[in-house]
Amino acid sequence: KNEVEQSPQNLTAQEGEFITINCSYSVGISALHWLQQHPGGGIVSLFMLSSGKKKHGRLIATINIQEKHSSLHITASHPRDSAVYICAVPGGGSQGNLIFGKGTKLSVKP
Amino acid sequence: NAGVMQNPRHLVRRRGQEARLRCSPMKGHSHVYWYRQLPEEGLKFMVYLQKENIIDESGMPKERFSAEFPKEGPSILRIQQVVRGDSAAYFCASTNNRGKNIQYFGAGTRLSVL
Repeated sequence: KNEVEQSPQNLTAQEGEFITINCSYSVGISALHWLQQHPGGGIVSLFMLSSGKKKHGRLIATINIQEKHSSLHITASHPRDSAVYICAVPGGGSQGNLIFGKGTKLSVKP
Repeated sequence: NAGVMQNPRHLVRRRGQEARLRCSPMKGHSHVYWYRQLPEEGLKFMVYLQKENIIDESGMPKERFSAEFPKEGPSILRIQQVVRGDSAAYFCASTNNRGKNIQYFGAGTRLSVL
């Protein structure tokens, strides 16, 4: 069974700062997901990536398959980026269910 | 193009009552996953369904919990004789191709058991 570790658990930043959130997993995977959970509780899928790097606006996700590690970066952070960021990996087998990290709670101060 | 719809958004039940949570996947999606988020904990997989079939229920408690995804209508997660420990946020996610594509999440149902 895959173990997913995220760091840091909590992160406070000033508006405009560059943010990095890390995710490590124990068993090789085909793809990794980054999710954002808003303060109201809703969940949005940000990225699904299996190699290299993906960019969407100010968000960048990278993955190193050999190192079993992924990072989520936020450039020019803004208070509206405040949320919990969760990485998830396939749970094994071919069913597609996900195993989630505990999340990183990001708070961006104006 | 509506996203994944869950209802109700909030559900309050007394101990011993039944809770029914509904999930309508995105149009064209035939794969539904249910996840549970207990207070102050991470999301945990419960069950994976395709139309009319339960594919993987390894994350479901053995008693009181059941799920279905009929040919017509939404997927239903049913909890019988609820207890306080069932209080949690229940999310469903849908995809059109298991394991290969992004899963789209509903807004969740927050169940409170009094």
